[in-house]
Amino acid sequence: AQSVTQLGSHVSVSEGALVLLRCNYSSSVPPYLFWYVQYPNQGLQLLLKYTSAATLVKGINGFEAEFKKSETSFHLTKPSAHMSDAAEYFCAVSAGVGDDKIIFGKGTRLHILP
Amino acid sequence: DTGVSQNPRHKITKRGQNVTFRCDPISEHNRLYWYRQTLGQGPEFLTYFQNEAQLEKSRLLSDRFSAERPKGSFSTLEIQRTEQGDSAMYLCASSTTGSEAFFGQGTRLTVV
Repeated sequence: AQSVTQLGSHVSVSEGALVLLRCNYSSSVPPYLFWYVQYPNQGLQLLLKYTSAATLVKGINGFEAEFKKSETSFHLTKPSAHMSDAAEYFCAVSAGVGDDKIIFGKGTRLHILP
Repeated sequence: DTGVSQNPRHKITKRGQNVTFRCDPISEHNRLYWYRQTLGQGPEFLTYFQNEAQLEKSRLLSDRFSAERPKGSFSTLEIQRTEQGDSAMYLCASSTTGSEAFFGQGTRLTVV
């Protein structure tokens, strides 16, 4: 069975600072991995996805994530935080084509300090 | 395409009543998923379909919950004899096999 663990339910960074949101996964097969963002009172929006191609994945709004099999991690980063990045971020995993239900982590709320 | 559509957006019901939610997926998507989200938590998987076939239902899901996708297009989620603990946001998503899921805006259920 697949699962993800997001370290830190709340993360605060200053505007212009590096954003790092941590995600570790567990999967018995090569996983597909996703980061979704949820702005207040809105639905979930895909930021980026890893599906066994390049290990460094670039997404929307300047975010990227790196798949590290040895560390079972898929951390999300952005070099310079913007006030508009304040939102809830969810890491998610699926087993890919064979069993592609997507399992979500509990989420990390990102706060941007002026 | 207008994306995944969910109706109603909000539902207030009395404890013990039955409620039904509808999801219209993106038209070419064969997969359809239902999730439940409570405040401060990630989406919790409930069930999913490939076309009209229900592939899996969460073992944590009460028998009061049932979902259908009769013609492989829209889907309904019914909750019978609602309880206060059922209050949550119910999310629907759709995808093609092996791709990312696209989410609707959700239906917020309040049981009073």
